[in-house]
Amino acid sequence: GQNIDQPTEMTATEGAIVQINCTYQTSGFNGLFWYQQHAGEAPTFLSYNVLDGLEEKGRFSSFLSRSKGYSYLLLKELQMKDSASYLCAVKDSNYQLIWGAGTKLIIKP
Amino acid sequence: GAVVSQHPSRVICKSGTSVKIECRSLDFQATTMFWYRQFPKQSLMLMATSNEGSKATYEQGVEKDKFLINHASLTLSTLTVTSAHPEDSSFYICSASGASGISYNEQFFGPGTRLTVL
Repeated sequence: GQNIDQPTEMTATEGAIVQINCTYQTSGFNGLFWYQQHAGEAPTFLSYNVLDGLEEKGRFSSFLSRSKGYSYLLLKELQMKDSASYLCAVKDSNYQLIWGAGTKLIIKP
Repeated sequence: GAVVSQHPSRVICKSGTSVKIECRSLDFQATTMFWYRQFPKQSLMLMATSNEGSKATYEQGVEKDKFLINHASLTLSTLTVTSAHPEDSSFYICSASGASGISYNEQFFGPGTRLTVL
């Protein structure tokens, strides 16, 4: 079967750095996405990785290792507004998005 | 660019009635639209995928006669929840992807519709 694993919940301090991990087992791979979702709102796109390595975009960076079936989302200089759920999703060989259950990130002052 | 709208944003209806939710891509042509459902504190659950001009492909366990999807144009898809029951109360989210300058890899999400069935 297809599976995306990410921690259910994480807590971090304002101004700090946090890394949210995602591991996947899918039938084929055509890219990995990270989305942010605030409570009661729709997801918003954060990043896309299809090749191994680190993609940096401001305070957010995403890393991919296809051989390990692993990705992480790195958030720097955490702000209270970063409190949200972070969803990892992988596009399989049929270009269908397989979603993880999301990681709820709690930022404390 | 790549804005997707949904209407209504919130709807409350009586059990047994039908509810139609519209999803529009405002500034691009969406060749594919996706409908998701999300229960509280749970992840997105894909209900169906629709391509413009063809029948939607429903995920396993989703009743196609209960959740009617129409994707009649490149900018509009509708989801009709027929004979809604309280257990259909959920957050329904559409997303769209397409060509014409928009990366085919990215799905753009609408703001969601919160359905409450009394």
